[in-house]
Amino acid sequence: GDSVTQMEGPVTLSEEACLTINCTYTATGYPSLFWYVQYPGEGLQLLLKATKADDKGSNKGFEATYRKETTSFHLEKGSVQVSDSAVYFCALHISSGSARQLTFGSGTQLTVLP
Amino acid sequence: DGGITQSPKYLFRKEGQNVTLSCEQNLNHDAMYWYRQDPGQGLRLIYYSQIVNDFQKGDIAEGYSVSREKKESFPLTVTSAQKNPTAFYLCASSIVTGTGGTSLHFGNGTRLTVT
Repeated sequence: GDSVTQMEGPVTLSEEACLTINCTYTATGYPSLFWYVQYPGEGLQLLLKATKADDKGSNKGFEATYRKETTSFHLEKGSVQVSDSAVYFCALHISSGSARQLTFGSGTQLTVLP
Repeated sequence: DGGITQSPKYLFRKEGQNVTLSCEQNLNHDAMYWYRQDPGQGLRLIYYSQIVNDFQKGDIAEGYSVSREKKESFPLTVTSAQKNPTAFYLCASSIVTGTGGTSLHFGNGTRLTVT
């Protein structure tokens, strides 16, 4: 079946450090790929997405490129801020008829220290 | 503003009691979902519904029940048969199209504690 493997956390960085959170996937078809972010005590919010190979999703300084050859969708940011502290989830979706389901990774906790 | 409202934010129950979690959306989305979140395990799908009066089991439906009598509402009942009900529960919705790339909109969750 479809699956998503995320870099295990927790990850602790100093403010202005570079961030990479690895995400690889296994899928039988051609998935759309997503990064969601969850701030403390809240639900998930869509951070960025990519729907086909070589697409780059970007938002709030975060970027991720859909790499079909390596089945990866790594999340990157050049300079993190304290406000980026959250849990980050990689997810994939393959449309199957009208079913709308996502397969999530286990999440990576990021803490940014001032 | 459109969104998803889950209530209550915190819920406490005694073991053996059924409890119902509320989820309401005003996004006019056809599809709604319930996920369970446990530390270190990501999100697991409990039930989902694509249209009113229809719903399907997800990966961990045992011990849970749902109804979808209105497009806006998708309540989740955690029954006494659920062996480990303490968790964070997230409701979500999405439009239904024939293509990929559509994202989910999430509520802020209900933290259920059963003692």
